[in-house]
Amino acid sequence: AQKITQTQPGMFVQEKEAVTLDCTYDTSDPSYGLFWYKQPSSGEMIFLIYQGSYDQQNATEGRYSLNFQKARKSANLVISASQLGDSAMYFCAMREGRNQGGSEKLVFGKGTKLTVNP
Amino acid sequence: GAVVSQHPSRVICKSGTSVKIECRSLDFQATTMFWYRQFPKQSLMLMATSNEGSKATYEQGVEKDKFLINHASLTLSTLTVTSAHPEDSSFYICSQREGPEEQFFGPGTRLTVL
Repeated sequence: AQKITQTQPGMFVQEKEAVTLDCTYDTSDPSYGLFWYKQPSSGEMIFLIYQGSYDQQNATEGRYSLNFQKARKSANLVISASQLGDSAMYFCAMREGRNQGGSEKLVFGKGTKLTVNP
Repeated sequence: GAVVSQHPSRVICKSGTSVKIECRSLDFQATTMFWYRQFPKQSLMLMATSNEGSKATYEQGVEKDKFLINHASLTLSTLTVTSAHPEDSSFYICSQREGPEEQFFGPGTRLTVL
């Protein structure tokens, strides 16, 4: 079964508008972390935002916020005031486990290609 | 945050040759590094988890004799693609975890096997 599902292969948004990128996850572990990364055409993976399963509040980082709905197992990324430079692939990822040893792996969704139109 | 470098950024080689990719942690001692592979227009797939001073842990379906991983120090992990073939052409990217809330990636290595 797929651990991370991103149902939007592509999304379009007008510059300065907000956009929501969907992500749902599947886990039976009560302790997990959710990540969003941006991958521009250069290929580098840029960390955007993190949400822990025990966090009470939705994570925010500048123009990025994570709409965390634990009961629905969704962790949607909201980008406010879109900019042309936001055009890229966006990946949602999850790490399971409460072991803080550092060897737990990050599993990725298939990604969403965001295009910001001028 | 952690800075992770990779070398080379791009390599083109002939079929049958071996290629070594280096992943360095520049400001953090990483006991664990992760190696991912990304085919065009696809997601990142974990290949193996590299553990300093011990054998790497490979994901199902990844040939450990073909993709040799060495993590001899806390700042360097290497991936060697042995006897590379065109189907090995891909984007290889390493990653390290600095804390429970952070995982950083290197800039990646684009391998093309002719």
